Amino acid sequence: DTGVSQNPRHKITKRGQNVTFRCDPISEHNRLYWYRQTLGQGPEFLTYFQNEAQLEKSRLLSDRFSAERPKGSFSTLEIQRTEQGDSAMYLCASSSAGTGTFGYTFGSGTRLTVV
Amino acid sequence: GEDVEQSLFLSVREGDSSVINCTYTDSSSTYLYWYKQEPGAGLQLLTYIFSNMDMKQDQRLTVLLNKKDKHLSLRIADTQTGDSAIYFCAESIGTGNQFYFGTGTSLTVIP
Repeated sequence: DTGVSQNPRHKITKRGQNVTFRCDPISEHNRLYWYRQTLGQGPEFLTYFQNEAQLEKSRLLSDRFSAERPKGSFSTLEIQRTEQGDSAMYLCASSSAGTGTFGYTFGSGTRLTVV
Repeated sequence: GEDVEQSLFLSVREGDSSVINCTYTDSSSTYLYWYKQEPGAGLQLLTYIFSNMDMKQDQRLTVLLNKKDKHLSLRIADTQTGDSAIYFCAESIGTGNQFYFGTGTSLTVIP
């Protein structure tokens, strides 16, 4: 198992463009989480999936953000009409139902820069 | 409230002990965690403690929890240069599907 994989590692985009990030969790993990981390801050929760169902969404997840996990395996996070304030590291994590309370396994993140 | 606070910087000499502190506000925390983040990397779980425990030791790491004061600390014994990183405390509440992270403490180990 190669851990949680996120692609791309870095993305630079112009303001107003749409971007999509992908997360491949650990294969036996049925729970998947998206967090956003801005410079000098800790990660902030965005959303959570159990299998293909999106069970929790943060107030931070505006209408421009959408996340999917169509087959309960990989997930995508799309940001439409990007703004400079969207510049951040987007972290994905996964866990299995039995180990969720013992901490997630995080990916290395996708760093988004909006210019 | 889900405020989790940490001091921003800590500098220690190699071989000394490091103590990183964290305070939180929500008394209904179920688990508390320490994560380590190296430059350009994701977060690595170091250790966790259940909220009804006072202390947990794991090799060079000792976690102390004072639930009355809502204070969590991480002690790293015999700190090495490879321990230089940002350390985040985090709490989970209820079902534990959402973690609340502190702002992180940047640990610098001086050779």
